[in-house]
Amino acid sequence: KAGVTQTPRYLIKTRGQQVTLSCSPISGHRSVSWYQQTPGQGLQFLFEYFSETQRNKGNFPGRFSGRQFSNSRSEMNVSTLELGDSALYLCASSLDGGRGETQYFGPGTRLLVL
Amino acid sequence: GENVEQHPSTLSVQEGDSAVIKCTYSDSASNYFPWYKQELGKGPQLIIDIRSNVGEKKDQRIAVTLNKTAKHFSLHITETQPEDSAVYFCAASGSSGGSYIPTFGRGTSLIVHP
Repeated sequence: KAGVTQTPRYLIKTRGQQVTLSCSPISGHRSVSWYQQTPGQGLQFLFEYFSETQRNKGNFPGRFSGRQFSNSRSEMNVSTLELGDSALYLCASSLDGGRGETQYFGPGTRLLVL
Repeated sequence: GENVEQHPSTLSVQEGDSAVIKCTYSDSASNYFPWYKQELGKGPQLIIDIRSNVGEKKDQRIAVTLNKTAKHFSLHITETQPEDSAVYFCAASGSSGGSYIPTFGRGTSLIVHP
């Protein structure tokens, strides 16, 4: 079975721009979560989608948004980029996001904001 | 919400030694505790997990122990090898709405010297 894939792998943007990242979960997985990883803050939960609906949200500003399509693929968008948004953005999928389910991570998209 | 503390932040050992990483959690409702290994340039990969109805689990050179009363769990790696060098994350999963979002520790950078 193919793993979680994320595109693009690397991105360079300038302050004020917006960016869209894509995630394809493992086939059959319906829950997709997004995380921001930085050296100072570790892995921070952004949001989780299930059946095209945002089911959980972390403590990030409204500039961070996402969506999920009917095939479970997900995108996240960051508008009005700031220097502090430079990070590795990880996507993880699981079957239903239920009790005791393992999350499987993609390789991440490394975003650099200049 | 859940809070996960992980120690040490850096661990340096000689090849063949054992390595122990410890985590504590705050939410007694947490019942699933995965451990992830993240190598440079890659996303976190699950290496072992334990559920609250089990006290210990082993998989070759890796073992995890859980003490629910004290709310702490540990990762033990025996006979370390240079390829074990990576960042290790613990996580605790409880409940949030209809899904179970894991909270991650800050990570431990394990360095195995040949």
